[in-house]
Amino acid sequence: GAVVSQHPSRVICKSGTSVKIECRSLDFQATTMFWYRQFPKQSLMLMATSNEGSKATYEQGVEKDKFLINHASLTLSTLTVTSAHPEDSSFYICSADSRQSWGYTFGSGTRLTVV
Amino acid sequence: DQQVKQNSPSLSVQEGRISILNCDYTNSMFDYFLWYKKYPAEGPTFLISISSIKDKNEDGRFTVFLNKSAKHLSLHIVPSQPGDSAVYFCAARGRAGNMLTFGGGTRLMVKP
Repeated sequence: GAVVSQHPSRVICKSGTSVKIECRSLDFQATTMFWYRQFPKQSLMLMATSNEGSKATYEQGVEKDKFLINHASLTLSTLTVTSAHPEDSSFYICSADSRQSWGYTFGSGTRLTVV
Repeated sequence: DQQVKQNSPSLSVQEGRISILNCDYTNSMFDYFLWYKKYPAEGPTFLISISSIKDKNEDGRFTVFLNKSAKHLSLHIVPSQPGDSAVYFCAARGRAGNMLTFGGGTRLMVKP
């Protein structure tokens, strides 16, 4: 089946630094990947749609200069949280459309803690 | 404006009984609906889906029902097992694109 690998699973960083999260489709090509954010006890909120070879499409209210998305190949999308603040602490999840009938495949998520 | 709503934040069911999770939506342009199961600190895993041209889809212990006129769908799990305890999200996709809109989730607890 389709597998999406997300790395790292957990990261702690200092305020003001940048953190990169990787999302890889292991056995399929993904022209489109999605980045979500989940606050505690809340739903998954779509942050941006990552398109291979072109600029990402950001949802309203998401700062594109703060959350840099790069989708340089058909199997890799990265999300970089720049100049991280404690309020950026959250659970970030990527997903990709594997074009299988059972829907989108999600990565295992990244718990970001900014101290 | 929440286009997909799960009005019950939690549900507790006895093992062996039926679990019914509900989801309502407002956007009539949604044409495909999915249910995901999520454990803490993990990504959601796909459970079952249904196209808007159907009113029922069954897969083992999981059945999803869609009532388009009421803009309502439900997930039935029978019999419920303790391993089913997790947060369940319904999600909807519009005809125009491939992004998903998620409901707020329902935490299911199946008691042994």
